[in-house]
Amino acid sequence: NAGVMQNPRHLVRRRGQEARLRCSPMKGHSHVYWYRQLPEEGLKFMVYLQKENIIDESGMPKERFSAEFPKEGPSILRIQQVVRGDSAAYFCASSPSTGENTEAFFGQGTRLTVV
Amino acid sequence: KQEVTQIPAALSVPEGENLVLNCSFTDSAIYNLQWFRQDPGKGLTSLLLIQSSQREQTSGRLNASLDKSSGRSTLYIAASQPGDSATYLCAVRKGDYKLSFGAGTTVTVRA
Repeated sequence: NAGVMQNPRHLVRRRGQEARLRCSPMKGHSHVYWYRQLPEEGLKFMVYLQKENIIDESGMPKERFSAEFPKEGPSILRIQQVVRGDSAAYFCASSPSTGENTEAFFGQGTRLTVV
Repeated sequence: KQEVTQIPAALSVPEGENLVLNCSFTDSAIYNLQWFRQDPGKGLTSLLLIQSSQREQTSGRLNASLDKSSGRSTLYIAASQPGDSATYLCAVRKGDYKLSFGAGTTVTVRA
């Protein structure tokens, strides 16, 4: 059972370009979460999705950021018109449920650099 | 809002010494607490998960305790090795699905 797969591992974008980050959850996991780790800061929750539904996007910036988890295929975190402040490590996690004893499993992350 | 603090921010010890990493959180109404390891430029590896009803969990050389009422958890790593050098993150989960992370403790074990 492969773990949470994220790609690309590293992404360089010029200011104003779009960044697309992909996440394939562990097999059997229908709950996906995105977190952002800014330099020298802890991980911060961005968004929680189930198949075809955004459940909670309270941690995501209101503009330029969007996320989806289609019926088929990976979850996508999309950042439009990137700015230098978007440079960070973006981590995806998945879980089989949201029960009290549920453990979250994290991917290797995508490190976005905006130049 | 849940605040998670990890002290110290960095720690350097000689090989063989025991490690003690601290995590405190402001809201004691948690579902569980997880300890993760993060190597430079890498992802998060889950080390231990302690449920709110438990007081400790053990895995090999690792032991994590939880005192929910005082909002504290401690991760003990016995007989440290250079391979234990990494950043250790503590994360707590309340009634929903979000994890609140501390900023981490960066550990260096000197050979």
